[in-house]
Amino acid sequence: ETGVTQSPTHLIKTRGQQVTLRCSSQSGHNTVSWYQQALGQGPQFIFQYYREEENGRGNFPPRFSGLQFPNYSSELNVNALELDDSALYLCASSLGGRSTEAFFGQGTRLTVV
Amino acid sequence: DQQVKQNSPSLSVQEGRISILNCDYTNSMFDYFLWYKKYPAEGPTFLISISSIKDKNEDGRFTVFLNKSAKHLSLHIVPSQPGDSAVYFCAAKAGTGANNLFFGTGTRLTVIP
Repeated sequence: ETGVTQSPTHLIKTRGQQVTLRCSSQSGHNTVSWYQQALGQGPQFIFQYYREEENGRGNFPPRFSGLQFPNYSSELNVNALELDDSALYLCASSLGGRSTEAFFGQGTRLTVV
Repeated sequence: DQQVKQNSPSLSVQEGRISILNCDYTNSMFDYFLWYKKYPAEGPTFLISISSIKDKNEDGRFTVFLNKSAKHLSLHIVPSQPGDSAVYFCAAKAGTGANNLFFGTGTRLTVIP
């Protein structure tokens, strides 16, 4: 059984550029969530995908978008990068439902300069 | 608006003693609570959880207590070990179809040998 893996681990982008982050969910997990963790803060929910459909979104603008693929892997896309987008981006997978914990990847550290 | 709060950014405890990490929440719709541990350069790791229908859940050295009337939960680690040194996040979710977690800002625990 493989865990949640994210790529790349680190990334530097210029303000205004676009970025794509990738996540492979844990085997058997059909739900993927993305979180943004700014320095000194807890993770903030961006959105969640269940069976390739977005089924929940936090307080993030539309330039944050995502995809989930038939194998349940996922992408997070951010357009028109801003300096404040610099953060650790975490992907979490789960079986969904009310009382199951989410398993996190190691994160992608994005720096916008 | 921080719905989950961890008011102690750091805690130091002697090895072998009890560590008590606290968490408060404001949203009465939360019905499931989790604790995650995070080491540097790693994603959060699930530690223990509790449903709102319980007031205590125990797993080895870790016990979580929930006081719904006070909207307060705590994590007890006994005995504390140097390997427990990490950042601990409290998280909560409401029983909806979306699986998003609301996180606190974390407490850095240092266990002194």
